[in-house]
Amino acid sequence: NAGVTQTPKFQVLKTGQSMTLQCAQDMNHNSMYWYRQDPGMGLRLIYYSASEGTTDKGEVPNGYNVSRLNKREFSLRLESAAPSQTSVYFCASSAIGSYNSPLHFGNGTRLTVT
Amino acid sequence: AQSVTQLGSHVSVSEGALVLLRCNYSSSVPPYLFWYVQYPNQGLQLLLKYTSAATLVKGINGFEAEFKKSETSFHLTKPSAHMSDAAEYFCAVSDPSYYGGSQGNLIFGKGTKLSVKP
Repeated sequence: NAGVTQTPKFQVLKTGQSMTLQCAQDMNHNSMYWYRQDPGMGLRLIYYSASEGTTDKGEVPNGYNVSRLNKREFSLRLESAAPSQTSVYFCASSAIGSYNSPLHFGNGTRLTVT
Repeated sequence: AQSVTQLGSHVSVSEGALVLLRCNYSSSVPPYLFWYVQYPNQGLQLLLKYTSAATLVKGINGFEAEFKKSETSFHLTKPSAHMSDAAEYFCAVSDPSYYGGSQGNLIFGKGTKLSVKP
């Protein structure tokens, strides 16, 4: 049972490069999320998708775009990476919405921007 | 929006000792509260959640938390620490007004790293 799968696990980018972080879940969950985790900051919500076909901004959306490709997949794109985007990125999913059901997390993508 | 404060970014206990990790939230209305645990190089996983059914909530791995409205607290405890409990623990609160109403609305504390000494 894979749960939430994120690729890649590690990535190093140069300033200005672009990349897409992939996320897929096999639990038939409706809602999916992207968080970033920085030391001493906890997790901050970047974007979320309440259901297939919808996406909304979270707390820190600047510099990112997302695509809910289908019910299983939710990708995060950095169009022009900046050193401030060095972080660990987590994708999560939930059955209904985190208000009522727990979040299931992937193992993260560790991104370094030089 | 609500906020979550976790007192102590690092807590160290001896194996077999009581574990107490503190969490306070800001709200005049009892929210839904969660504790998540993150082991090294892994994502977060749910330990337990409070949804108003009972003030004392039992979770996995022997952890429990007590909701105290008068103190706006939701501290996490475990009677006897085990080496395998070493991890980072996050308290989180739901807030329907935080980005989208009932969706995507968990606000996380900054985390407490628990070390367990042999």
